[in-house]
Amino acid sequence: LAKTTQPISMDSYEGQEVNITCSHNNIATNDYITWYQQFPSQGPRFIIQGYKTKVTNEVASLFIPADRKSSTLSLPRVSLSDTAVYYCLVGDILNSGGYQKVTFGTGTKLQVIP
Amino acid sequence: DGGITQSPKYLFRKEGQNVTLSCEQNLNHDAMYWYRQDPGQGLRLIYYSQIVNDFQKGDIAEGYSVSREKKESFPLTVTSAQKNPTAFYLCASSSTDGPVGSPLHFGNGTRLTVT
Repeated sequence: LAKTTQPISMDSYEGQEVNITCSHNNIATNDYITWYQQFPSQGPRFIIQGYKTKVTNEVASLFIPADRKSSTLSLPRVSLSDTAVYYCLVGDILNSGGYQKVTFGTGTKLQVIP
Repeated sequence: DGGITQSPKYLFRKEGQNVTLSCEQNLNHDAMYWYRQDPGQGLRLIYYSQIVNDFQKGDIAEGYSVSREKKESFPLTVTSAQKNPTAFYLCASSSTDGPVGSPLHFGNGTRLTVT
């Protein structure tokens, strides 16, 4: 299983763009990269998923370089409500038919400051 | 609204008692999962099920049991054999349709305290 490494914590001021990088040096060919957000005492919530290059949705962008050994979640103009833990997940969803081979690390605790 | 319902939100039990945590989904997802989260930690997989009447052990199955008699329901029993049961338990589901399926959808968890 691909192991992921993220910063333990980050601080950012409101209105700034935040970039959280995840390292996954032993990512396999069939692995997808997925990011989740978790607020205290709640279940994680899906943010974005990608395989390569760049993916963008209404809340975030995901940048994946050609070697796929890392990925960067970009949150534009964060607000106080973006204070949460962000998890980077890497795993073979395609061939496994599910998330049983996807592991959660300890995530990055983002604190947005007024 | 479609989603996953976990109940109760808080649960207190005495040591030595079995306790069952409920998880129901109306998303029509085939796959369901149970995770455990300890303070400041990530999520660890306890059990998963990809289809009714079938389930598999995850990374930390010892002291837990599950059943999957209906597609919508995946209850988790924390038995007295689980040495350290106090934790936040999260249920999730995903679709297996399509090439990658859907992301994991989580419930809001049950916080179990055993004294």
